[in-house]
Amino acid sequence: DTGVSQDPRHKITKRGQNVTFRCDPISEHNRLYWYRQTLGQGPEFLTYFQNEAQLEKSRLLSDRFSAERPKGSFSTLEIQRTEQGDSAMYLCASSSHPGTEAFFGQGTRLTVV
Amino acid sequence: QKEVEQNSGPLSVPEGAIASLNCTYSDRGSQSFFWYRQYSGKSPELIMSIYSNGDKEDGRFTAQLNKASQYVSLLIRDSQPSDSATYLCAVGASGGSYIPTFGRGTSLIVHP
Repeated sequence: DTGVSQDPRHKITKRGQNVTFRCDPISEHNRLYWYRQTLGQGPEFLTYFQNEAQLEKSRLLSDRFSAERPKGSFSTLEIQRTEQGDSAMYLCASSSHPGTEAFFGQGTRLTVV
Repeated sequence: QKEVEQNSGPLSVPEGAIASLNCTYSDRGSQSFFWYRQYSGKSPELIMSIYSNGDKEDGRFTAQLNKASQYVSLLIRDSQPSDSATYLCAVGASGGSYIPTFGRGTSLIVHP
């Protein structure tokens, strides 16, 4: 069990560019969550998948954000036309079943300059 | 809007003391509750989960849940300087999604 893996760990991008993050959940974990965290705040829910189905998106998730989980394995989170306000830590977590413990990856720290 | 409230702190305790961290939540139907520890610049690390009213102990950690009062707490016995971190309370949403909603965390400082 290698845990949840996220790539890249750090990303610096210019405003207006597109970025894509990858998350590899724990093997056989059906649930996958994406969160965003800024300094001094708790993780804020963005979206989640049950297997390959994206079941809910936060109202805070603008149209510039899109996520996929093809074949219910790894997931990607894309941000189009990045803005400075997108600068944050993007966290991925997975759990084996709904309502059970979620385990986080190391996170991807995004800086938009 | 489902909310999870925590005192942001910092909570400062001497080494060897008991640290008590508290959390209240608004979603009365929640059935799953979690405590995470987060060191500065790192991702959250699961400490404990609790699903039933009462106490659950794991080593130096005890989680306490009172669903009637919508209150969950974490006690850390024999606190060590290495316990200094932010502690996040997470509550699973009711209604079938079970999405964990997080509080903003309580900063704990254990001084020698």
